Amino acid sequence: DGGITQSPKYLFRKEGQNVTLSCEQNLNHDAMYWYRQDPGQGLRLIYYSQIVNDFQKGDIAEGYSVSREKKESFPLTVTSAQKNPTAFYLCASRRTATDTQYFGPGTRLTVL
Amino acid sequence: GQSLEQPSEVTAVEGAIVQINCTYQTSGFYGLSWYQQHDGGAPTFLSYNGLDGLEETGRFSSFLSRSDSYGYLLLQELQMKDSASYFCAVTSGYSTLTFGKGTMLLVSP
Repeated sequence: DGGITQSPKYLFRKEGQNVTLSCEQNLNHDAMYWYRQDPGQGLRLIYYSQIVNDFQKGDIAEGYSVSREKKESFPLTVTSAQKNPTAFYLCASRRTATDTQYFGPGTRLTVL
Repeated sequence: GQSLEQPSEVTAVEGAIVQINCTYQTSGFYGLSWYQQHDGGAPTFLSYNGLDGLEETGRFSSFLSRSDSYGYLLLQELQMKDSASYFCAVTSGYSTLTFGKGTMLLVSP
């Protein structure tokens, strides 16, 4: 079955530590996205990548970094510079020539 | 920039038809999408209405008025499992989505 996987589902970190969230897709999609969702809020775009080895900042990129070395993988690092990192993080991918995005199950990050 | 407005909550009864509205302000509009999210889950695609066509799934349909910067999602034959949050999202340049804050739909028996 094709799909998007994110791991882990729940993640706890101490303040001041960097943490990397995994996102893998086997849908052969070129574009991938990272969103942040806070309670009772919509999704806000952190970073996106239209093609391997290229990525762009979204609306709230400060304190985050990404890489896109393989088509299947788009990991997100939450750095210690992110002031309020506790949130639900969602990864998505998109088929070329359509606007439909497919989401992974998400990672709920709690920084203590 | 982009901004979207949708009601925070809508209530309806099982078997009814419900409409969830969305107004938007954006530059470079390509289309309006709708996603469903159950509590703690991943958003799933419901409908897209835009310059390059229309796509709908199951009991969900959508309407778009580009001149009024307005659209709505229509859910027919409501079921209890339709209780969830519904997000409208605008596609602008580079196929990025800007989401509204979501509408919580509560379906009662």
